[in-house]
Amino acid sequence: DAKTTQPTSMDCAEGRAANLPCNHSTISGNEYVYWYRQIHSQGPQYIIHGLKNNETNEMASLIITEDRKSSTLILPHATLRDTAVYYCIVRVEGTSYDKVIFGPGTSLSVIP
Amino acid sequence: KAGVTQTPRYLIKTRGQQVTLSCSPISGHRSVSWYQQTPGQGLQFLFEYFSETQRNKGNFPGRFSGRQFSNSRSEMNVSTLELGDSALYLCASSTGGNGYTEAFFGQGTRLTVV
Repeated sequence: DAKTTQPTSMDCAEGRAANLPCNHSTISGNEYVYWYRQIHSQGPQYIIHGLKNNETNEMASLIITEDRKSSTLILPHATLRDTAVYYCIVRVEGTSYDKVIFGPGTSLSVIP
Repeated sequence: KAGVTQTPRYLIKTRGQQVTLSCSPISGHRSVSWYQQTPGQGLQFLFEYFSETQRNKGNFPGRFSGRQFSNSRSEMNVSTLELGDSALYLCASSTGGNGYTEAFFGQGTRLTVV
C-alpha cells in the first residue's frame, strides 16, 4: 500500500493558487516528501522535495507540517498547463526508487 | 542537456508476439528503471539496471526482462505478449552509484496488444 494518501481530484481557477494536500502519517525520520506530476500520456516530472523545512523552487512551494505527517504542494499561479496528475511519495534521499509506491495521485484540473 | 529518450513512442503488437523497448538515459546517469503504467494498477516498478546489472526487481513474471549496455542505454523485452500487457511503459534514469538523485522519466512507450 502507498504510504501517502491524496484527494482523488481537485479543481483550481486559472491564475489562483493550487494547494494540493498529502497525508503521510507513517513517514520515517529519514524519509523525504517528493512531488511529481504527470501530464496526460507523458512521463512523471519531478517537482520538488523536502524533509522538514519548507522548500521553494521555480515551479512550486512545499509546506511540511511540524509533525511531518502531512504536506501541501502549492502552485502559486496555476495555468492551464498545470492540469495533470500530482503524485506525493516518500523516499529516503539517495536511495533507489524500487520501493517507492506511486499511488493514484490527485488529478488537478485548472479551469479557465 | 538531453532528457530521457524512449523509443518507439507507440507500438501495436499481436498476442503471442514479443516486443523490445529502448531507453537512453540522461548523459552521466548509470541507473535505469522501468515501470508499467495501466489505468487499473497505476505506476508499477518492473526492474532497475545499474552498470549492466539488474539491481532490483519488481513483481512481474519472467516474460518481462531487460538488459543494460555499457553506455547505460537499456532495453526491455516482453515475450509472449498478452492483452493485459497493454500499457504505458516508462523508464527513468538516475545517477545511482553512491547515491541516487531523483528519478527523471522519459515520455514512455505506449504498447497496445491486440
